[in-house]
Amino acid sequence: GAVVSQHPSRVICKSGTSVKIECRSLDFQATTMFWYRQFPKQSLMLMATSNEGSKATYEQGVEKDKFLINHASLTLSTLTVTSAHPEDSSFYICSARGAPGTSYEQYFGPGTRLTVT
Amino acid sequence: ELKVEQNPLFLSMQEGKNYTIYCNYSTTSDRLYWYRQDPGKSLESLFVLLSNGAVKQEGRLMASLDTKARLSTLHITAAVHDLSATYFCAGDSGYALNFGKGTSLLVTP
Repeated sequence: GAVVSQHPSRVICKSGTSVKIECRSLDFQATTMFWYRQFPKQSLMLMATSNEGSKATYEQGVEKDKFLINHASLTLSTLTVTSAHPEDSSFYICSARGAPGTSYEQYFGPGTRLTVT
Repeated sequence: ELKVEQNPLFLSMQEGKNYTIYCNYSTTSDRLYWYRQDPGKSLESLFVLLSNGAVKQEGRLMASLDTKARLSTLHITAAVHDLSATYFCAGDSGYALNFGKGTSLLVTP
């Protein structure tokens, strides 16, 4: 099956700093990538959707200036958490979907655990 | 907006017993997915259900889809401890996946 990787798997940063998380599709071209956030014992909440070469579409309540998403190539999307605060501590999961007509399924990355101190 | 509701949210069951997790969704969904999540891990895809009446089985888990009732079920047969995990269903509106709140399953001896 299709493989999606994320890097780093865990990151600890100080309050006020920025953190970048990478999401890569390893064996397929991902025209659309999705970023989810999951707090402990809760479900996944969609943060934003990005299409290669386009600006990301953010869900209501997600600050686009705080969570910067870049999808510059068909295999890489990045999420940058700017000026991180302890309340941004969460499990961030990306998923990727191929071009329409190739595969409808979303493939999930292994997640990145962010802890802001 | 596609809303997905799961029940129960918590389930403690004895080994060897059977049980069903229910997933209701509010509007038409192109596809219905079931995932498993272990603590600290990401999602593992279990089933993708594409059409009304679809039934898929893998080991002790069987998933079904009734699009007319907007209901999917995940049936667990003769539960074993290794099935302890959180199970999510998700509907696909064609835009993104909408997840249920998850069912935390604990299988005890």
